[in-house]
Amino acid sequence: DAGVTQSPTHLIKTRGQQVTLRCSPKSGHDTVSWYQQALGQGPQFIFQYYEEEERQRGNFPDRFSGHQFPNYSSELNVNALLLGDSALYLCASSNRDRVSEGEKLFFGSGTQLSVL
Amino acid sequence: RKEVEQDPGPFNVPEGATVAFNCTYSNSASQSFFWYRQDCRKEPKLLMSVYSSGNEDGRFTAQLNRASQYISLLIRDSKLSDSATYLCVVNFKTGANNLFFGTGTRLTVIP
Repeated sequence: DAGVTQSPTHLIKTRGQQVTLRCSPKSGHDTVSWYQQALGQGPQFIFQYYEEEERQRGNFPDRFSGHQFPNYSSELNVNALLLGDSALYLCASSNRDRVSEGEKLFFGSGTQLSVL
Repeated sequence: RKEVEQDPGPFNVPEGATVAFNCTYSNSASQSFFWYRQDCRKEPKLLMSVYSSGNEDGRFTAQLNRASQYISLLIRDSKLSDSATYLCVVNFKTGANNLFFGTGTRLTVIP
């Protein structure tokens, strides 16, 4: 049973460029959430996708956008990259029907983005 | 004020020691509480949920005090393998998959 997979594992970009990160959820999961984790900080919620729509969004600018596909996989896009966007980007999946049991998220190993 | 606050540490303790981590949260309507563990350069993994009555899983005990908006994690008989960052996590909304993470408390268990 494959867990949450993310690609690429590492990425180097320059300021002003655009980047796309990808995530495949754990088998049986239908909800994907994206988090940004800066060095020395806890993960910060970016947004969540369910049924191919953005359902919730954290305090991130419109430069951060996403998409969910019919197979539940998801992409995170960041435009006009800033130095401050350098971070570990984590994808987490869950099953919406199990929300009442608590938010047991399964995380991918993340994409380390460096903006130079 | 941050939604979830933790002492960042680091905590350096000898093997076999008992160590406690604390966490406070700002939203009194918070619904769910968790401790996650994150190893260096790895993804966070759920350690345990925190229930109002308190709960225990082997050497780990979690406590919740809703009146004080306070969560704790106690680790007894520390092992070298317990070295990691421990993240306090709070969900403010029932039915929403939107977790707020603390900055984490770094623990190093020393031989």
